[in-house]
Amino acid sequence: EAQVTQNPRYLITVTGKKLTVTCSQNMNHEYMSWYRQDPGLGLRQIYYSMNVEVTDKGDVPEGYKVSRKEKRNFPLILESPSPNQTSLYFCASSLSADVRGVSTDTQYFGPGTRLTVL
Amino acid sequence: DQQVKQNSPSLSVQEGRISILNCDYTNSMFDYFLWYKKYPAEGPTFLISISSIKDKNEDGRFTVFLNKSAKHLSLHIVPSQPGDSAVYFCAASAFPYNQGGKLIFGQGTELSVKP
Repeated sequence: EAQVTQNPRYLITVTGKKLTVTCSQNMNHEYMSWYRQDPGLGLRQIYYSMNVEVTDKGDVPEGYKVSRKEKRNFPLILESPSPNQTSLYFCASSLSADVRGVSTDTQYFGPGTRLTVL
Repeated sequence: DQQVKQNSPSLSVQEGRISILNCDYTNSMFDYFLWYKKYPAEGPTFLISISSIKDKNEDGRFTVFLNKSAKHLSLHIVPSQPGDSAVYFCAASAFPYNQGGKLIFGQGTELSVKP
């Protein structure tokens, strides 16, 4: 089954304790992205990756890191989490960001990770 | 600055009637628009899209209308069903897409379809 998986689904942590949220897709997609969803703000992009070893900042990258060592995995790293990073996080993937004329630009989203930083 | 706006946080509609969800944008460079649907505890799922070369795209009960001069798009669901109750996000992107395939999302509208 084609899917995007995220782990953990729920996490409560304390300020300053490093954490990693994993994301994996089995569709051989080149493009992957992380979003956070906050009330009244919708989904905002944190980081994205066009392919292996190619990553770039989205709209709200501060306080986050990512890596793309393999095509299928795109972990989100919070080196020193703070309470303002309490949010619902979604990972997404799509076939290719360059196939503009063919792709529907559809991104497939994971189920979400609810993070609370105390 | 919110480039994509959904000004109605919620909408309630009777089953069988039409649901109209609205979205406004400010960036005239946007040329591709999408609607996503999100159920609680799940990730968003793609619903329907429209390119700026069109003003209407239809898929079953779902139709998206684009008014470029007004920088406005809308999603019509006819007839509405209780299973359509979800949060709907509109999203927009600008060419060249190789700017990272960035989608700018609106805040979402929660649709409730009552039996």
